[in-house]
Amino acid sequence: DQQVKQNSPSLSVQEGRISILNCDYTNSMFDYFLWYKKYPAEGPTFLISISSIKDKNEDGRFTVFLNKSAKHLSLHIVPSQPGDSAVYFCAASAGTGANNLFFGTGTRLTVIP
Amino acid sequence: DVKVTQSSRYLVKRTGEKVFLECVQDMDHENMFWYRQDPGLGLRLIYFSYDVKMKEKGDIPEGYSVSREKKERFSLILESASTNQTSMYLCASSLLVGSYNSPLHFGNGTRLTVT
Repeated sequence: DQQVKQNSPSLSVQEGRISILNCDYTNSMFDYFLWYKKYPAEGPTFLISISSIKDKNEDGRFTVFLNKSAKHLSLHIVPSQPGDSAVYFCAASAGTGANNLFFGTGTRLTVIP
Repeated sequence: DVKVTQSSRYLVKRTGEKVFLECVQDMDHENMFWYRQDPGLGLRLIYFSYDVKMKEKGDIPEGYSVSREKKERFSLILESASTNQTSMYLCASSLLVGSYNSPLHFGNGTRLTVT
């Protein structure tokens, strides 16, 4: 059963506008969340993370919001750029331990010039 | 910058063949991982290793084995390849156990097709 869900397989956004990628999770024990970005023919690269003690973390154009009561997190990209076109994976971790990291199915973002 | 290198970008193998996927990292990371990525299923952990000669099963270890004889190298072995093992295989490494302040660094992947 998928513990981390990204219900939108794809998203298209105009350049300069905001991109919002969503992620839902079911396990209330998750306490650390990450976003990875993947270009075609490359491995995923770490983008941004957030601990469950926070509700927002910002890094340049990228902001991750966490709503623990709703078991929901989102990634905002402002302004969106064509180079942001990629597949974005949400991941969640329940404590330390290499086998405690769970990935979502990914959302393909296309930023239209 | 961490570099994780997977020896093959594309592989085509026949059903029943023994397949080796090789991965090398150059940052002296303790932990190495093998994932597979399939459409609609995301990334799923096959095996991981937190030290030389140590290995732990992930979520989907069936049909796979691993070998870690040296710290920098982690091999995934398909003892007898089957068509349902056609997938994108991703190797990763990290400095610390778990994900806190130690994100995974991935290789570029090996797309394996089993015919």
